[in-house]
Formats: sequence, C-alpha cells, structure tokens
Amino acid sequence: GQNIDQPTEMTATEGAIVQINCTYQTSGFNGLFWYQQHAGEAPTFLSYNVLDGLEEKGRFSSFLSRSKGYSYLLLKELQMKDSASYLCAVRDSNYQLIWGAGTKLIIKP
Amino acid sequence: IAGITQAPTSQILAAGRRMTLRCTQDMRHNAMYWYRQDLGLGLRLIHYSNTAGTTGKGEVPDGYSVSRANTDDFPLTLASAVPSQTSVYFCASSDSTGQGADTQYFGPGTRLTVL
Repeated sequence: GQNIDQPTEMTATEGAIVQINCTYQTSGFNGLFWYQQHAGEAPTFLSYNVLDGLEEKGRFSSFLSRSKGYSYLLLKELQMKDSASYLCAVRDSNYQLIWGAGTKLIIKP
Repeated sequence: IAGITQAPTSQILAAGRRMTLRCTQDMRHNAMYWYRQDLGLGLRLIHYSNTAGTTGKGEVPDGYSVSRANTDDFPLTLASAVPSQTSVYFCASSDSTGQGADTQYFGPGTRLTVL
C-alpha cells in the first residue's frame, strides 16, 4: 500500500527553526509537495521537489532524498502566523496526490 | 470570482437525503478534484476530472458521483447521505494533468454533517 508518514504535532518557539519530516512509500514518484493549512481554512501550496536536494523560498526550505523516500520542510525565524498544519503529499505513478495526515505546528512566544 | 469557490460553506443534512456540493473555478484549469478531509487522516481523493467531459474515480468514490459538463464547474453529489460522509470537502483545480509541478489550488471547503 501507499503510505506517507509525518509527526502528528510539533512545538517550537517564536524566532527559532523547526524541521518537519516526511517519509513516504508510494507506487511511483512524480514529485513531492508541501502545503500549509491554517485551522478552518484551505491548504495552500508551499513547495515542490522532484529532484534530490534543497529548494529554498525565503524563510521556508524543502529537501528531498528520493533514494531514502524522505523529505523535510525547514521553517526559519518562526513567526506566530506559522502556527498551522503542514501537509506532505507525493504524486504517484497515476499522477494522483497521496497525502500525509499533516503535522500540527504550535508556535509559542 | 477569483480562484475557486464552493457552496454551501456548511450544511447539516438528514441521512438518506440527496445533496450536491458546488465547485466553480475561474482559472480555466483543465483538471479538477474533490477531496474529503477527516481528523487524523490525510486528504483523500473522491473523484477527479482531467478535462471537461471526463471523470475518474479516486481512492474513496463510493456513495459519490460527479459530472464535468464544462471547464469551470465540477459538482459533487451524494445520492443518499450517510453519517460516515460527515467531513470537510475540498474542491481543487490544476492547470494540466500532471506535467511539471501542476500545483493544485484549493477552494475554501464545505463542512458537511450528516445526522
């Protein structure tokens, strides 16, 4: 079967750095996505990785290792508004997205 | 309209009733999707459409039907609602059928409760 694993919840301090991990086992791989979802709102796109390595976008970076079936989302200089759930999704061989359950990130002052 | 809209925002429905959730996008995207989101689970694909006139089944299609008569609209119908269909339903769209990033953009969601 297909599986995406993420930690259920993480806590970090405002101004700090946090790394959210995602491991996956899917039938085929055609890219990995990270989305942010604030409570009661729709998911919004953060990043896309299809090749190994690090993609940086301002305070957010995403890393991919296809051989290890592993990705992480790195958030720097945390702000209170970063409190949200972070969803990892993999596009499989059918070009459909398989979603993890999400990691709820709590930022404390 | 800008992006994707969904209606209604929320609904309480008696079991056995028929219900249609509406989704409209103005981005001229080819592909559209319906997901349900339940606590502790990832988004699960119900049905999708790669282009107007075509539809396909996702991971959890039973009890749901869709149609895609034109590019903009992708309604989801529950023929006879059951309590296990209580969920938050998200509609999404993307520009193509999977080439490149093909980012999916989401509507605001419909919160459905079946009693």
